[in-house]
Amino acid sequence: DSGVTQTPKHLITATGQRVTLRCSPRSGDLSVYWYQQSLDQGLQFLIHYYNGEERAKGNILERFSAQQFPDLHSELNLSSLELGDSALYFCASSPWGGGRGEKLFFGSGTQLSVL
Amino acid sequence: GNSVTQMEGPVTLSEEAFLTINCTYTATGYPSLFWYVQYPGEGLQLLLKATKADDKGSNKGFEATYRKETTSFHLEKGSVQVSDSAVYFCALRTNAGKSTFGDGTTLTVKP
Repeated sequence: DSGVTQTPKHLITATGQRVTLRCSPRSGDLSVYWYQQSLDQGLQFLIHYYNGEERAKGNILERFSAQQFPDLHSELNLSSLELGDSALYFCASSPWGGGRGEKLFFGSGTQLSVL
Repeated sequence: GNSVTQMEGPVTLSEEAFLTINCTYTATGYPSLFWYVQYPGEGLQLLLKATKADDKGSNKGFEATYRKETTSFHLEKGSVQVSDSAVYFCALRTNAGKSTFGDGTTLTVKP
């Protein structure tokens, strides 16, 4: 058990809808990262938050947004969903976020299916 | 930008066979290098890491050596088991705290 909790585990929705994925980092970790894993694109970095502030953005679509709350949990909001958004979405956390030697602790992921 | 290239899979081996999964990288600066493993239905977990040139990371019989001259971090194991069947990801991390992952290599070990 990595200590990172993601909910829900599975999500089935329709095109055009909006969903929210939730992540609770390991106790004490200040950084949260979101990744999208699909068969054709591999593991794609979406966004990184550190202690409530956005630290870095990756290949995140404008229809997607995220935030990190004062209690350090994070939410990833996906709107105007398309079939191509179907993927496994991972959250990871790390103690600080700035160190090159830091390892990431991953949650079990949320499997999103857009029908 | 930074990038990680892994050997394409899937890789299928018999139990007790020798495993090599190649990984090369391109990075600005001096990255740390990692191997993560993803078992079916789970998130990625750290397998091993190396933070400077010529360092060898090792764990659970797996090894990888940080080769700066060839920008490589190949994963090896002398004798694989069925329980090693998983997806293996090579990754690098820079001083800016940015992690870049390879596409993953699926390993299947048959009894």
